[in-house]
Amino acid sequence: DAGVIQSPRHEVTEMGQEVTLRCKPISGHDYLFWYRQTMMRGLELLIYFNNNVPIDDSGMPEDRFSAKMPNASFSTLKIQPSEPRDSAVYFCASSEPRGQGTEAFFGQGTRLTVV
Amino acid sequence: AQSVTQLGSHVSVSEGALVLLRCNYSSSVPPYLFWYVQYPNQGLQLLLKYTSAATLVKGINGFEAEFKKSETSFHLTKPSAHMSDAAEYFCAVSEIFGNEKLTFGTGTRLTIIP
Repeated sequence: DAGVIQSPRHEVTEMGQEVTLRCKPISGHDYLFWYRQTMMRGLELLIYFNNNVPIDDSGMPEDRFSAKMPNASFSTLKIQPSEPRDSAVYFCASSEPRGQGTEAFFGQGTRLTVV
Repeated sequence: AQSVTQLGSHVSVSEGALVLLRCNYSSSVPPYLFWYVQYPNQGLQLLLKYTSAATLVKGINGFEAEFKKSETSFHLTKPSAHMSDAAEYFCAVSEIFGNEKLTFGTGTRLTIIP
């Protein structure tokens, strides 16, 4: 398997624009996680899905953020409208159920810059 | 609620010296514990994991960690540092039973002095 695939790797956008980040999890993984990494706040869990259903979105910072998982092989994280404080690296990760002692596998991340 | 505390946001060691990165956890139920490494402009890569089997866990690149329930600790060690070990290291915890959240510490940046 090619691992977790995120696109784009880098995104520069103007404040107020819509931004969509994409993720393809590892085939067969039931769980998908979206994290945000910043210098100030470290790694924050934004939302996670189990079998395409959102389980916990308590980490989503505002209504400007939304995430979907229309099928087992694709998820999006959308920010509309974007603001400079959204600048961060966004990671997607996937895993099998933790009860099997498996770890989360991370993508390479999308570095978002909002100017 | 589960949490992880990593003592020391920056650690510097000389090449060939012992590496010790500290992690203490808090969990109301038995935990799974993980150490991840992040190289510049890369995603997180698993170093090792504790899943309630052996308390001394060996990982990749010569790293190991010991689960100590009495101290609620899971410190990461390597006997002899190599220049290639320079990176950021994250400790993480999740619950064996219950939700699947993986909660990370704030990270420790390891610098190797030639």
